[in-house]
Amino acid sequence: QSALTQPASVSGSPGQSITISCTGTSSDLGGYNYVSWYQQHPGKAPKLMIYDVSNRPSGVSNRFSGSKSGNTASLTISGLQAEDEADYYCSSYTSSSTLVFGGGTKLTVL
Amino acid sequence: QVQLVESGGGVVQPGGSLRLSCAASGFSFSSYGMHWVRQAPGKGLEWVAFIRYDGYNKYYADSVKGRFTISRDNSKNTLYMQINSLRAEDTAVYYCAIGYFDWSMDVWGKGTTVTVSS
Repeated sequence: QSALTQPASVSGSPGQSITISCTGTSSDLGGYNYVSWYQQHPGKAPKLMIYDVSNRPSGVSNRFSGSKSGNTASLTISGLQAEDEADYYCSSYTSSSTLVFGGGTKLTVL
Repeated sequence: QVQLVESGGGVVQPGGSLRLSCAASGFSFSSYGMHWVRQAPGKGLEWVAFIRYDGYNKYYADSVKGRFTISRDNSKNTLYMQINSLRAEDTAVYYCAIGYFDWSMDVWGKGTTVTVSS
């Protein structure tokens, strides 16, 4: 199972909005609504930010939102803050009853 | 509060074995599926395995199938991962995570480090 495709890095200034894409195939991301997004700060465990494409767990800021169109999912962060600087990973359920992650995107807040 | 504490990591020679544990507390462990995810040094996340709430259905990444065995003891609120025939590429931080909705990893432990080296 190949990894989902994410941009290696994105950047934005405080207050701006950014979007991170995650591209898969019809056998994974495009075929199911089990897409999740995780935030990971250096040396820390990942944290779930979005599940089932667009749902936010309790306690996650509403500045984070998720969507999907075809074989591509997106994570949008609005009102960018310094604390949002981290690595972000998408994941998807696959037709093989496994999970696959994206390669990760490093978000830099300028 | 919900807590997951991994243990059992260490330095192992190639070909060796380890059993990782994940002690769960603060939630109804027997009601939820559980995942293992690993992260090699400086690399991204790699999903390893998932076990359903009752332990009867188990799913593995192709990269570990046949060498790794996920299991759980609901009476002890503990998740396990038996790792055999260790290879250098198994060197990683291993995290356990709760799958409240099965295919997302909702709460994570802090991880335990496995180093495979001669």
